[in-house]
Amino acid sequence: DAKTTQPPSMDCAEGRAANLPCNHSTISGNEYVYWYRQIHSQGPQYIIHGLKNNETNEMASLIITEDRKSSTLILPHATLRDTAVYYCIVRVATGGGADGLTFGKGTHLIIQP
Amino acid sequence: NAGVTQTPKFRVLKTGQSMTLLCAQDMNHEYMYWYRQDPGMGLRLIHYSVGEGTTAKGEVPDGYNVSRLKKQNFLLGLESAAPSQTSVYFCASSRGTQVGAFFGQGTRLTVV
Repeated sequence: DAKTTQPPSMDCAEGRAANLPCNHSTISGNEYVYWYRQIHSQGPQYIIHGLKNNETNEMASLIITEDRKSSTLILPHATLRDTAVYYCIVRVATGGGADGLTFGKGTHLIIQP
Repeated sequence: NAGVTQTPKFRVLKTGQSMTLLCAQDMNHEYMYWYRQDPGMGLRLIHYSVGEGTTAKGEVPDGYNVSRLKKQNFLLGLESAAPSQTSVYFCASSRGTQVGAFFGQGTRLTVV
């Protein structure tokens, strides 16, 4: 699976959009971009994933650049409860064998009141 | 809908003791995983299963064994606990590899 690079920490004001970047310059054509978050002491929570098109769900939007070498997770109206470590993960979604998710150190997003 | 439930939530073991961590999911998922997370680190995959009766090794399988006798349950065993196995253990399940995984709330294990 391709390696990802994320900033170790970010701040965002409550009510503003939080934009979390992720670089994955060695991504392959069949690798998806997944985002998870982990609120302190809890299990990771799936947020969103995509291949090449932008994706949106009730939690967030995922913007993937045309060359697929980077992506941005957008939380449109951040709240204090969004303070967490956010993980960007790139992996092949083969639909067959499962090799799990490779978690790096992620970005610690702190929402400021 | 309970999702993924891990039992127990906390445990303290003495070096050399054995124990089994239970993971149960009620979403009829085929894939199940066991991870460990050490302080300040990301999660590392221990073992996984792609269906009932099948298991496979992940990144850090040494010192652990697993079983998937029933589709809804995935057991993680420590035969002879060591202080290096002090960690938070997370179980996860998913419908497939092309969708997101659901995680349990973790088991905090301390080996003294």
